[in-house]
Amino acid sequence: DIVMTQTPLSLSVTPGQPASISCKSSQSLLHSDGKTYLYWYLQKPGQSPQLLIYEVSSRFSGVPDRFSGSGSGTDFTLKISRVEAEDVGVYYCMQGIHLPPYTFGQGTKLEIK
Amino acid sequence: EVQLVESGGGLVKPGRSLRLSCTASGFTFGDYAMSWFRQAPGKGLEWVGFIRSKAYGGTTEYAASVKGRFTISRDDSKSIAYLQMNSLKTEDTAVYYCTRGVGYYYGSGSPGYFDYWGQGTLVTVSS
Repeated sequence: DIVMTQTPLSLSVTPGQPASISCKSSQSLLHSDGKTYLYWYLQKPGQSPQLLIYEVSSRFSGVPDRFSGSGSGTDFTLKISRVEAEDVGVYYCMQGIHLPPYTFGQGTKLEIK
Repeated sequence: EVQLVESGGGLVKPGRSLRLSCTASGFTFGDYAMSWFRQAPGKGLEWVGFIRSKAYGGTTEYAASVKGRFTISRDDSKSIAYLQMNSLKTEDTAVYYCTRGVGYYYGSGSPGYFDYWGQGTLVTVSS
């Protein structure tokens, strides 16, 4: 199975400051179809996960543009340009290429200072 | 508006069975693969399995941890996906989420990712 490794596992950020989460996969997530099957989800406290970013860098419908994704191959990053209070929760990266199974990173907990 | 509503969770003894339902609305259910995930208390997300749309035979894939014990099915006429869980173990205790699959691999019916998630239903396996 593909191992997804996120760093850091926790993050405390002052509102208005940027935040960055790294996700590394044990194998390349680039498919022969040209797509890279790397996704980012946010699970807010007490809620179900919600899709933020698909295929590395495309924002899902309704996701604020302060969220951005980048990377290629095995190394990926989620950035929040200016953290807001509503961004608290646990962020997960997920791979969708080496199936089954779909696998997630351990999660990164974002808190507000 | 896409909505997914899970039901059927509860307390069950080890070795027993339980069936979860996922009622969908706001989209053409039959056109999509549907998947189940779970999250044990205080833990991360784990994929359980998915069912392809009928256009791709309605076939299924499962995680190794549930293969042979869990079965996913669908009733497109009712827009419901099911997760039949047999021979339950204490380690199956989790919140179970239903999701819609998108971003398909060309010609496979296998989703690349999942865009909408239900609110989840708690399954507790305990004697």
